[in-house]
Amino acid sequence: DAGVTQSPTHLIKTRGQHVTLRCSPISGHKSVSWYQQVLGQGPQFIFQYYEKEERGRGNFPDRFSARQFPNYSSELNVNALLLGDSALYLCASSLLPGGQGNTGELFFGEGSRLTVL
Amino acid sequence: DAKTTQPNSMESNEEEPVHLPCNHSTISGTDYIHWYRQLPSQGPEYVIHGLTSNVNNRMASLAIAEDRKSSTLILHRATLRDAAVYYCILRGYSGGGADGLTFGKGTHLIIQP
Repeated sequence: DAGVTQSPTHLIKTRGQHVTLRCSPISGHKSVSWYQQVLGQGPQFIFQYYEKEERGRGNFPDRFSARQFPNYSSELNVNALLLGDSALYLCASSLLPGGQGNTGELFFGEGSRLTVL
Repeated sequence: DAKTTQPNSMESNEEEPVHLPCNHSTISGTDYIHWYRQLPSQGPEYVIHGLTSNVNNRMASLAIAEDRKSSTLILHRATLRDAAVYYCILRGYSGGGADGLTFGKGTHLIIQP
């Protein structure tokens, strides 16, 4: 079975541009989360979506937005890119958004490496 | 989520056991202890989780202190493929909520051949 797939794997943008990153969850998973990982740091939570609705948001500016489609795939959009947005963007999927005994194992993709020049 | 403290790095030899410590002195009664690891150039991978009792799975064992203020991830026989950053994460029961995982910097495990 395919794992979480993300595209593109690498991309380069310039300051002020906009970027869209895509994620396809594991088949049957209805929850998708997005994380940002800056070099040398652990991943930071950006958003979680479940059944096409935003269920959680981390401490990121409004330039960051996301949505989930009826097939449970997701897009992360970042507007007005800054140099500091350069990072690995990780998508994770799970059956449920968070708890139910907290066996909520997340399955991560390999990420999209964004470089902002 | 409560905070965890891990050593920045640890080194071990191949085929020897590895004990990765994690302190979480402010853990609440409903916090689960999760461990993820991140191999080079990959996304994080779930390893194991527990609440109060020690846990074993095919990847590792998790030993939880009686007062739950610390835990230890045990790799019984390390291989070169276990070289990764290991994250200890506390996760409160959210009952369907959507709080994300709070990753720290983790422990960079180096395995010597």
